Amino acid sequence: EAQVTQNPRYLITVTGKKLTVTCSQNMNHEYMSWYRQDPGLGLRQIYYSMNVEVTDKGDVPEGYKVSRKEKRNFPLILESPSPNQTSLYFCASSPAGDEQFFGPGTRLTVL
Amino acid sequence: QQQVKQSPQSLIVQKGGISIINCAYENTAFDYFPWYQQFPGKGPALLIAIRPDVSEKKEGRFTISFNKSAKQFSLHIMDSQPGDSATYFCAASTSDNYGQNFVFGPGTRLSVLP
Repeated sequence: EAQVTQNPRYLITVTGKKLTVTCSQNMNHEYMSWYRQDPGLGLRQIYYSMNVEVTDKGDVPEGYKVSRKEKRNFPLILESPSPNQTSLYFCASSPAGDEQFFGPGTRLTVL
Repeated sequence: QQQVKQSPQSLIVQKGGISIINCAYENTAFDYFPWYQQFPGKGPALLIAIRPDVSEKKEGRFTISFNKSAKQFSLHIMDSQPGDSATYFCAASTSDNYGQNFVFGPGTRLSVLP
């Protein structure tokens, strides 16, 4: 089944404890992105990537890092999480930069 | 200049009615305008999209109207059904050498009453 998977789906952590949210797609898509969704703000793009080792900042990159060492994987790294990073996170992939296929989301709580 | 404005914030329509959601943008470099539908507990899914070289696109009961000079675009849902009850997001994007930068509106929560 063609899909975007994210892990974990739910995570509760404490301020300052490094964490990684994984994202993997099995559709051989070139483009991948990370978003955070907060009530009243819609989805805001954190980072995006067009291919392996090709990434750039979106609108809200502060406090996040990404890597694209393999085409199928695009992990999101929070080096020192803070409470304002509590949010619902979505990974998405796209074959040609148009239609995006979203993962199921990761709900992160930082205490 | 990166902002995409969306209205209304919430919308209630009767079954069979027409739902209309409006969006506006400032950045004239945007070249792709999708609408996404999101059900509770799920990721967004593409509903319909348009590029600025056309003024209207229709897919079934869903139509995008695009006004390039006014920098506005809207989603029309004809014959709205209770199953259409969801949150709708408009978006706009530009492409660069690193990928595609998307900006989303804040969303509209649509409720279709039976």
